[in-house]
Amino acid sequence: SQQGEEDPQALSIQEGENATMNCSYKTSINNLQWYRQNSGRGLVHLILIRSNEREKHSGRLRVTLDTSKKSSSLLITASRAADTASYFCATASYSSASKIIFGSGTRLSIRP
Amino acid sequence: GAVVSQHPSWVICKSGTSVKIECRSLDFQATTMFWYRQFPKQSLMLMATSNEGSKATYEQGVEKDKFLINHASLTLSTLTVTSAHPEDSSFYICSASPRGTGTYSPLHFGNGTRLTVT
Repeated sequence: SQQGEEDPQALSIQEGENATMNCSYKTSINNLQWYRQNSGRGLVHLILIRSNEREKHSGRLRVTLDTSKKSSSLLITASRAADTASYFCATASYSSASKIIFGSGTRLSIRP
Repeated sequence: GAVVSQHPSWVICKSGTSVKIECRSLDFQATTMFWYRQFPKQSLMLMATSNEGSKATYEQGVEKDKFLINHASLTLSTLTVTSAHPEDSSFYICSASPRGTGTYSPLHFGNGTRLTVT
């Protein structure tokens, strides 16, 4: 079964707007990662946040982590048409940090 | 760096036949590779962990006799779907993490294989 759920399942916004996706998970984690998948392709790693970190930035991406609520969010600022893709959070446990389990994903569409 | 190549990118086979999918780490060694399955508009489901030189570890509900995994070298893992049926049609994706990297290393994914069983 999936480790967690993502919200919303689908999101459509205008180019230039910010996109926020949320992820909730069930068990204790070592780290949480966000990946992007273009249709019919493999996944591209975006950002990794450790369990002892609360926020991380990478370019137009901002990730937060709240381990007390077992949740994370991904913010994409100033969205572009090329950001259209599915976004997945994934968690790694302490017992097997390289074995990651994916959330249900958010399909993001950016309208030009 | 850290490129994972998956082959073939798509395959169509007849029901009852077997299909082999290869996953190669091109510029790094990987003692562990992972195989995922993804149905349309759904998330990735971990099928099994492929360990170099030893048996694969399968997730609950995944038939090990149907999905044969061989990790014969530090750069190659194969997934063979045996006696394929139309319900096995899916997108299969492998991933790997470079050997010797720490706990906080992301996985590198192949581009996936679209399997269609007719």
